[in-house]
Amino acid sequence: AQSVTQLDSHVSVSEGTPVLLRCNYSSSYSPSLFWYVQHPNKGLQLLLKYTSAATLVKGINGFEAEFKKSETSFHLTKPSAHMSDAAEYFCVGATGTASKLTFGTGTRLQVTL
Amino acid sequence: DAGVIQSPRHEVTEMGQEVTLRCKPISGHDYLFWYRQTMMRGLELLIYFNNNVPIDDSGMPEDRFSAKMPNASFSTLKIQPSEPRDSAVYFCASSRSGTVANYGYTFGSGTRLTVV
Repeated sequence: AQSVTQLDSHVSVSEGTPVLLRCNYSSSYSPSLFWYVQHPNKGLQLLLKYTSAATLVKGINGFEAEFKKSETSFHLTKPSAHMSDAAEYFCVGATGTASKLTFGTGTRLQVTL
Repeated sequence: DAGVIQSPRHEVTEMGQEVTLRCKPISGHDYLFWYRQTMMRGLELLIYFNNNVPIDDSGMPEDRFSAKMPNASFSTLKIQPSEPRDSAVYFCASSRSGTVANYGYTFGSGTRLTVV
């Protein structure tokens, strides 16, 4: 069975400082991993995905994530936060031929001036 | 492609009334998912369909909730009778079989339901 665990329910950073949102996964098989972003009163949008190609994945709006098998992690990072990054972020997993995604509980990112 | 289309965007109804939420998946997608999102419970999978057939409805909270997919381009989620605790944002998502691991789901913009 697969699961994803988001280690922080809430993260607050100052504008211009780095962002780190943490996600660990557990899976018997090589997973596919995604980060989705949900801005206030909006739907969920795919931010980036890892599908066993390059371990460092770049997404939209300057975000990137690194798949580390040894640490079973897929943390989301951004060098410099912007006010518009304030949103809920979901780490999501899938395995093999799975038709269902497994969602983490979400991390709310707050960006302050 | 217009994406996953949900209607209405907002719905306010009185307790006891029937509510119907609608979803049009992306053309060619054979999986359709209904989710509910609340502050207390987060994102919950209610039910999903494959080729218009319900595969897993174990997330449907109770008999007041029902979902149908009469054809490949339309699905409904119905609540009858509605209660204030049903107030939430309901999302529909779709995907193509064999592609979830590579592309994930595409979500609609959601329907914000308020039951007063």
